[in-house]
Amino acid sequence: QKEVEQNSGPLSVPEGAIASLNCTYSDRVSQSFFWYRQYSGKSPELIMSIYSNGDKEDGRFTAQLNKASQYVSLLIRDSQPSDSATYLCAVNGNNNDMRFGAGTRLTVKP
Amino acid sequence: GAVVSQHPSRVICKSGTSVKIECRSLDFQATTMFWYRQFPKKSLMLMATSNEGSKATYEQGVEKDKFLINHASLTLSTLTVTSAHPEDSSFYICSAVASGAPYEQYFGPGTRLTVT
Repeated sequence: QKEVEQNSGPLSVPEGAIASLNCTYSDRVSQSFFWYRQYSGKSPELIMSIYSNGDKEDGRFTAQLNKASQYVSLLIRDSQPSDSATYLCAVNGNNNDMRFGAGTRLTVKP
Repeated sequence: GAVVSQHPSRVICKSGTSVKIECRSLDFQATTMFWYRQFPKKSLMLMATSNEGSKATYEQGVEKDKFLINHASLTLSTLTVTSAHPEDSSFYICSAVASGAPYEQYFGPGTRLTVT
């Protein structure tokens, strides 16, 4: 079982819709969870971090964490074509490092 | 936000030569930096964890004698790819952890290495 699993996609949504990205992780002791956005040919950019159960909202982005289910998600409201990218879920591991999912490729169609 | 730079952004070298990549935290001190490699359409793969003033910790399968890491100061880590071969061609990305946010990593812009 992979440490961090994501649906590779591609996920396609129309402009203005809500994009829902999901991630599960295997290590129950993980405490910190992150969503990164990576445009093609660029390095990842941190967009959200979440540390406790529940929802965390930042602008059009909402991260949701459920530690009991080992599940973290990212919702993007009012999706824009500029949101088209690969979204990486990351979970802290031992020694302060991070384990990344393979990423979900999102396409927002105008 | 925290800014991490990498230099060079792009490098082409001949097979058998060595290439050094620098990673700098510009506006914060980073006791820990990470080096990743990413092949086209693949996910990030952690190569090693670099701690200031100590030896780097390498992931399984990463040759420490081939990928030399030096973290000489709180703002600079270097990765040297020694005796590079075409299969080392990849996108190398560093990240740094800022104090006060122990689990938030900030990534550099990456270095695209092409070995001919």
